[in-house]
Order: sequence, then structure tokens, then C-alpha cells
Amino acid sequence: QSVLTQPPSVSGAPGQRVTISCTGTSSNIGANYDVHWYQQLPGTAPKLLIYGNTNRPSGVPDRFSGSKSGISASLAITGLQTEDEADYYCQAYDSSLSDHWVFGGGTRLTVL
Amino acid sequence: QLQLQESGPGLVRPSETLSLTCSVAGGSISNSNFYWAWIRQPPGKGLEWIGIVFYTGTTHYNPSLRSRVTISVDMSKNQFPLRLTSVTAADTAVYYCARLWDNYGYARSYFDSWGQGALVTVSS
Repeated sequence: QSVLTQPPSVSGAPGQRVTISCTGTSSNIGANYDVHWYQQLPGTAPKLLIYGNTNRPSGVPDRFSGSKSGISASLAITGLQTEDEADYYCQAYDSSLSDHWVFGGGTRLTVL
Repeated sequence: QLQLQESGPGLVRPSETLSLTCSVAGGSISNSNFYWAWIRQPPGKGLEWIGIVFYTGTTHYNPSLRSRVTISVDMSKNQFPLRLTSVTAADTAVYYCARLWDNYGYARSYFDSWGQGALVTVSS
């Protein structure tokens, strides 16, 4: 059971828009801590996709965008492409019990 | 360009100690803007944060693993090792080392660079 809750899977056709939600609690996202997103292509290590809720590292297409409100955050992907098929994870800092870092359970994106 | 590389045995016996090392190239482990992290991923499952270390030796560990895990730094080799004691089959996973960007505090920190990962299987 992950601290941050994501849907197990989402899907969309090429060119479409999909969103992935990430729901936390008052000790992480709700405490105004930043949410970050990672993309894990099959058989590879995770890669930073969005940091600080809305920012894209250099080289990440602007088809990817992030948002945050209250205890939830979302990752949106527009103009879906076949190479976007991957697992996506949200991550935040959590201050319950002790300093620690938490991930969502991951969402598998299938491009139909 | 920063590069992180995990190394260590791919097979560990139950009840023994898992030891991995992360070697950092293209950047100094003593950079005060960063912590250094271990994260694992059991086969077919999600990511689990194990712990982080600062170059001064300050550490933070996942509460569920705290009694068994040690992360340290070796600045002379630009490496940070991981030790996990009393392993069971549940510790079978791909182990990643990563860099935690911490320039604005924990609340805004994120893992900006990852190693390729090392599969460790716990089996007799």
C-alpha cells in the first residue's frame, strides 16, 4: 500500500490527452510539499519528468505538464505518442513519523 | 554529465547481508546541494525509498527498513555503499542509486539522476 495513491493503469489513443492523478495526505502533498513525476520506460531506470509540481527538466517535451491542488497532483500528457508507453510515478517528501520520501504505486500508460 | 553506477553481488543468501556500492562520476559526492539515495523496486512492483546520506554522514532511512539498513559515504572513492542485513526473499529487487536535489530543503527535493539499477536476488 503506497502512501501516494495513483490509478494502476490509464490508456489512450495516439494524439489523445490523458491524465494521471496522485492523491496524498496532510503529511505530504497536503502539507504544501512539492510533487515530482518520473517516467520509467520498459526495462530502464526511472527518469525525472516533472519537478516542483509543474517544471520540466531540459529535454522533456512540453506535451508533459504537471499540476497540484490541495492533497492531489496530476500529470497530463497531450498529443499521446507510442513512445510514451511507460510507468509513471509521483513522489513527494513526507513528514509523518520522521523525514522520509514517498512514491505513488505507479501508473501503467498504454497507448492503444 | 553525472553518472551513477551500482555494483555488487547479484545473489545473496537468506539471513545474510546485502552489500551494494554506488560509484559517482562527473560530480563530487561532497557537493552540499545534494543527498545521495538508494531506492529499490521488487520485480513487477513500484518504487520504494530506502534511505539517503549527506556527505557529512547524516542519514535518513525508511522507517520500515531502519533497523536493517546502513548507508555511508566514502569521499576518497566518491562512492556511497548500502548495507541491508538479515535479508529475506522480500528484499529481492532492482536496487537503484540516485541523487537527491536538496537546494531548497526537503519539502522541494527530488531525485534528478539515477543509476541503471542492479538486480539482487535473495535465494538459497
